[in-house]
Parts: sequence; structure tokens; C-alpha cells
Amino acid sequence: EIVMTQSPATLSVSPGKRATLSCRASQSVTINLAWYQQKPGQAPRLLIYGASTRATGIPARISGSGSGTEFTLTISSLQSEDFAVYYCQQYNNWPLTFGGGTKVEI
Amino acid sequence: EVQLLESGGGLVQPGGSLRLSCVASGFSFSSYAMSWVRQAPGKGLEWVSVVSGTGDYTYYADSVKGRFTISRDNSKNTVYLQMNSLRAEDTAVYYCAKRSLLVGGEFDYWGQGTLVTVSS
Repeated sequence: EIVMTQSPATLSVSPGKRATLSCRASQSVTINLAWYQQKPGQAPRLLIYGASTRATGIPARISGSGSGTEFTLTISSLQSEDFAVYYCQQYNNWPLTFGGGTKVEI
Repeated sequence: EVQLLESGGGLVQPGGSLRLSCVASGFSFSSYAMSWVRQAPGKGLEWVSVVSGTGDYTYYADSVKGRFTISRDNSKNTVYLQMNSLRAEDTAVYYCAKRSLLVGGEFDYWGQGTLVTVSS
């Protein structure tokens, strides 16, 4: 099983600042990596797939990068609606696995 | 507009069974794999199972293998999760999620979830 490790667990950032979230895979997942955002009481929403492709309707301030085992999600200028929990997920190997999440808070 | 609507959750005793359903609309259902993903209270996301668009392959997390069965009825645009021998650790919100490809890909759409509580 590929273990996905996200850091930090909690990120405290002020509105308008940059947030950088990390995700590390225990073995290569090439670019088969997605990022999701989840707000309290809501279902997850796809942000990024293929490590760096924004999903439909996702603003340009949200970007993904990386390949192999190291990945980054960057939110260039945090807006109020960006405060949430973010999960990375690999879909390169069975079983599909998620990271433990990073909570972005004010 | 893609919509996924789960149902069938509820309170069940340990050792009991439940069948979850997810009705899909807004896309060509048989062209995409479908999955179930769960989230225990206050915890992260855990993938549970997947079925291909044609239904000819399925895969399960080790934690549910032998107890849960995923299936789909493409004539009804519905995917099911039959859950047997339920345990307290199966307590979670269960999400139905569409994958982006016939066989694989990321989860591009999610339902709102249905809560399963396993308790005596």
C-alpha cells in the first residue's frame, strides 16, 4: 500500500497570504495525484488532478506541482472561502489512498 | 449537471447488514467507474471500493474485503454497496464518487454522503 503523508497537519495563514501544502508518497505515483478541498459538513471537491491540472471552475490562485513522490498544492492569495481541509490522493496503484489532510485556518 | 444522491444509511447493530444506493444523473453513467469513499467522524477519507463502468471489475480495501460488495445497474444509473457483518469501525459517512474514466482516474464528482452508524 502506498502511504500518503501530508504536512503540516495544520497551517495558520492570514487572508491574502500564500499557503503551501505538501504531500509525499511512499513510492512513486508518477503524476496520478489529486487534491481535494473539504469544508465542514460538505463533501470533498476536486481541485487538482494529474498533479497540476485544475479541475473545472477552480480559480487560478490554486495550483499544483510535483511528480513521483513529492507534491505541492499552493494557494497564492488566501481568500475566506479557502479555509478548509485539503487532502491529496494517489490513483496510480491499488488500493487508492488518501493523505491524512492539512487544515488551513486563519 | 452531474448529481449523485446516496441513500440507505442508518443505525444498525454490530453484525448487521445495510445496502447503500447512489443514483446518478447528468452524465453517461455506464462510461465511468464509480466508487465508495468513507469518512469516520472527525477523521480523514478512506477509499472503500470501486466498480468499472461496465461492471466487469471490482476492487476493495482490505478493511472491507469479504464483507462488502459493490455493484451497479446501468439501466437504473445506480451503484450499490451491500455491507454485511458490520462492525463499529465501519461507522462513517459514506460518499459515492464518480471517477473520471471508464476504469480509473480521479474522483471528479461526489455525492453529499449518507451516514452509517454501527452500534448496539
